[in-house]
Amino acid sequence: QVHLVQSGADVKKPGASVKISCNVSGYNFSQYSIHWVRQAPGHGLDWVGWISDGIVFPQYSLSFRDRLTITWDTPTSTAYMELSSLTSEDTAIYYCARGVNDTVSTHFDYWGQGTLVSVSS
Amino acid sequence: LVLTQSPGTLSLSPGEGATLSCRASQTVNSVYLAWYQQKTGQAPRLLIYGASTRATGIPDRFSGSGSGTDFTLSISRLEPEDSAMYYCQQYGTTPLTFGGGTKVGIK
Repeated sequence: QVHLVQSGADVKKPGASVKISCNVSGYNFSQYSIHWVRQAPGHGLDWVGWISDGIVFPQYSLSFRDRLTITWDTPTSTAYMELSSLTSEDTAIYYCARGVNDTVSTHFDYWGQGTLVSVSS
Repeated sequence: LVLTQSPGTLSLSPGEGATLSCRASQTVNSVYLAWYQQKTGQAPRLLIYGASTRATGIPDRFSGSGSGTDFTLSISRLEPEDSAMYYCQQYGTTPLTFGGGTKVGIK
């Protein structure tokens, strides 16, 4: 079965960075993509960015471009999302989700359980 | 590309039908429109993709339709377990975007 398992909740101070992992199993990553979506408390869903095996440069939403790094570690089948210069507005649940193809134009058929990131002084 | 969902909230009785709307600020290729269900404390679950294709395991009470800028998710014979937020998503244009959601409550 397909599984996406994310790292646990984290608390950070303003200005710090956070790195969230998403370990995938049960499928061949090279044929799919991993996207990151965030959900602020009581709010809707915002696309953050994506990565796939075949692209050189991950693509990020303009809202995060200067602060965001998405990477993929092949040996461990793990995707990472690192967000820097955190503010209280970054407090949210961050989800990884599997795209059904290896392009940006995809919907998401499997989701991780979510990782709560709290930013507070 | 902004997606606007309406109504914001629906409160219906079991057995009734629900019609949820998703309107786009510009034309969306219907191949690139999806619907998700999110229950409290859970990750979203894919219901519909390509505007009208049900995802694996989704009951036929859920159906999607529409084209251009207007899309609809219909839920027939509502059950208590359908109580959730519902989001539309377009994936034809970057950045990928989601609608603000419709909350469906079962009386």
